[in-house]
Amino acid sequence: DQQVKQNSPSLSVQEGRISILNCDYTNSMFDYFLWYKKYPAEGPTFLISISSIKDKNEDGRFTVFLNKSAKHLSLHIVPSQPGDSAVYFCAARDRGSNYKLTFGKGTLLTVNP
Amino acid sequence: DTAVSQTPKYLVTQMGNDKSIKCEQNLGHDTMYWYKQDSKKFLKIMFSYNNKELIINETVPNRFSPKSPDKAHLNLHINSLELGDSAVYFCASSQWDPQVETQYFGPGTRLLVL
Repeated sequence: DQQVKQNSPSLSVQEGRISILNCDYTNSMFDYFLWYKKYPAEGPTFLISISSIKDKNEDGRFTVFLNKSAKHLSLHIVPSQPGDSAVYFCAARDRGSNYKLTFGKGTLLTVNP
Repeated sequence: DTAVSQTPKYLVTQMGNDKSIKCEQNLGHDTMYWYKQDSKKFLKIMFSYNNKELIINETVPNRFSPKSPDKAHLNLHINSLELGDSAVYFCASSQWDPQVETQYFGPGTRLLVL
């Protein structure tokens, strides 16, 4: 039973354009949402997070939007750069299970020059 | 200076063997984790230790035994390795705080069981 779903396994965008990565969740006990970026043969790297009491968090080129009623969050990258090409994981923290993180399957973003 | 390090980076072994993976963090964090990324690319929590106390223990075969000698180290010992244990194992650490959440991951240990 996947509680965190990333339905797009891959996304390809042109350099300079916006990248939008989506994530859906089912567990209402999730209180924190995170995005991680992963390059091949490396560990995931924290990118940006958002508390469930907020609907937007921005950090430079990266913005995360949270729609609690729809149980949906998205990561916007503007402008996209070739170095952003990586796998992006959505993760959610479960306050009902010792704050464990549940990860989505990831979306491979390719930014073409 | 590496924040979360794991050894070995690659591990190839025969079925039935016993092996250990080591993890160390120099971030001063009080919580450490083991995750498994299987062939389907799902990243799943296996164990978590807070101040050397086991706080998360997911449905993992008891052939897997974590050990935390101190707050900076969390090792994973696997007995009687099976083909299905082949995966990438990631260690992570964080400073436990309900108000924030950031886990720092190691580079992973690629385990191949033949």
